[in-house]
Amino acid sequence: DAKTTQPPSMDCAEGRAANLPCNHSTISGNEYVYWYRQIHSQGPQYIIHGLKNNETNEMASLIITEDRKSSTLILPHATLRDTAVYYCIFGGSQGNLIFGKGTKLSVKP
Amino acid sequence: DAGVIQSPRHEVTEMGQEVTLRCKPISGHNSLFWYRQTMMRGLELLIYFNNNVPIDDSGMPEDRFSAKMPNASFSTLKIQPSEPRDSAVYFCASSHRRNHNSPLHFGNGTRLTVT
Repeated sequence: DAKTTQPPSMDCAEGRAANLPCNHSTISGNEYVYWYRQIHSQGPQYIIHGLKNNETNEMASLIITEDRKSSTLILPHATLRDTAVYYCIFGGSQGNLIFGKGTKLSVKP
Repeated sequence: DAGVIQSPRHEVTEMGQEVTLRCKPISGHNSLFWYRQTMMRGLELLIYFNNNVPIDDSGMPEDRFSAKMPNASFSTLKIQPSEPRDSAVYFCASSHRRNHNSPLHFGNGTRLTVT
């Protein structure tokens, strides 16, 4: 079973920030949090990952709470092309990630 | 970087036939993963390899499924005999295991339809 909890769907206005929450209360100290997204009919695309510090790259920012039990993925200026299913995952010392159902983000004009 | 390459992109076959799906991981990556995606069950991890060695195949649904990785640049997932319930999109992913937190890179999948 998936070990993270995400809202099944969210809407966001184009040009606004999209904030996607994730609960991962059972994460252990050395496990990273990963975010992927999947645009219809394509393979999952890696977005960002982090351990305990906030991270930022060209795609998004990742905010991890101090207790590491939850995180938020931030798309600073959402576009229509960001419409996708977003997966929050952790775990697998071998890199084997177990995907849940994710959050379906709809960016609307 | 060509990314993870899967073939074929689409496969339609009749029940009972053998199906072979192919994957070429990103050069230099030493871990390879096979996932299956359906509407009902989402993304499921079937099996993964480290340095060409199968590590965990507990996700393989039945003995009809088998996977091999004869070398670092090629893997196959075989279904024999195929059944309609095997219809799904099959994804291959690879990562570089030198850093245990390396992300997975996915191919664009093979859409399998078994009639």
